[in-house]
Amino acid sequence: NAGVTQTPKFRVLKTGQSMTLLCAQDMNHEYMYWYRQDPGMGLRLIHYSVGEGTTAKGEVPDGYNVSRLKKQNFLLGLESAAPSQTSVYFCASSPPGTRRDTQYFGPGTRLTVL
Amino acid sequence: GQNIDQPTEMTATEGAIVQINCTYQTSGFNGLFWYQQHAGEAPTFLSYNVLDGLEEKGRFSSFLSRSKGYSYLLLKELQMKDSASYLCAVNPHGQNFVFGPGTRLSVLP
Repeated sequence: NAGVTQTPKFRVLKTGQSMTLLCAQDMNHEYMYWYRQDPGMGLRLIHYSVGEGTTAKGEVPDGYNVSRLKKQNFLLGLESAAPSQTSVYFCASSPPGTRRDTQYFGPGTRLTVL
Repeated sequence: GQNIDQPTEMTATEGAIVQINCTYQTSGFNGLFWYQQHAGEAPTFLSYNVLDGLEEKGRFSSFLSRSKGYSYLLLKELQMKDSASYLCAVNPHGQNFVFGPGTRLSVLP
C-alpha cells in the first residue's frame, strides 16, 4: 500500500495563477481532508469530505475549492493564487468505524506564491 | 470555539524524560490525539485518549484529564530521533479535528 500520496511535492506560482493539488489514498478510507500548515499556527482544516461526491468547508475555506469524484481521490483547487496561500498543504484520510478519527497524512505539498 | 495551547519549544538531553503539556478548551469532546512530525515530513499518529488516565505505548505515554482540559505526552529514554514537533489535537463532538500549534522538541547529546 502506498498510503496517502500527494502531487506535486513542490510548486511555485505567480499571483493570479491557478493550480490543482491531487491527493490519492489506497486504503479505502471514507473521510478525506485538506489542511494547510503555517509556522506557529498548526494545521488548519480547509475542506473535507465524508464520502465520494460530498465536500464541506473547514476552518479556512476561502480561496479554495475541492472535488471528490472518486472515493480514492480528493482534489484541492486554487483558482487565483495569492501570496497569503503560500504554505505547506497536507492531505489526510481516515477509516470508518471506531478508528475513524485516526488520520493518515500524505507527505505534503510546499507551495510558494510570488 | 476551540482553543489549544502547547509550549512552542522544549529542549532535553538524550536519555532523559520530557513532558509536553497541552491544554484545551472545547465545546464537547470526543478524544485527544498526539501526532509526531519530523521536520519536512507528514504528521504521524502517536496516541489517542478518550477516557481519563494514562495510556502507555513503549517509551511514549499520554495522559488525559477531561475535567481540567489537560493532557501531556511523556517521552522516556529520549533518543536523538525523537527531535520533532509534537502536535496535540482534539476532536470536539460533531466537528472536525482542531490542532494545536505544536511543540518543537530538540534532543541534545
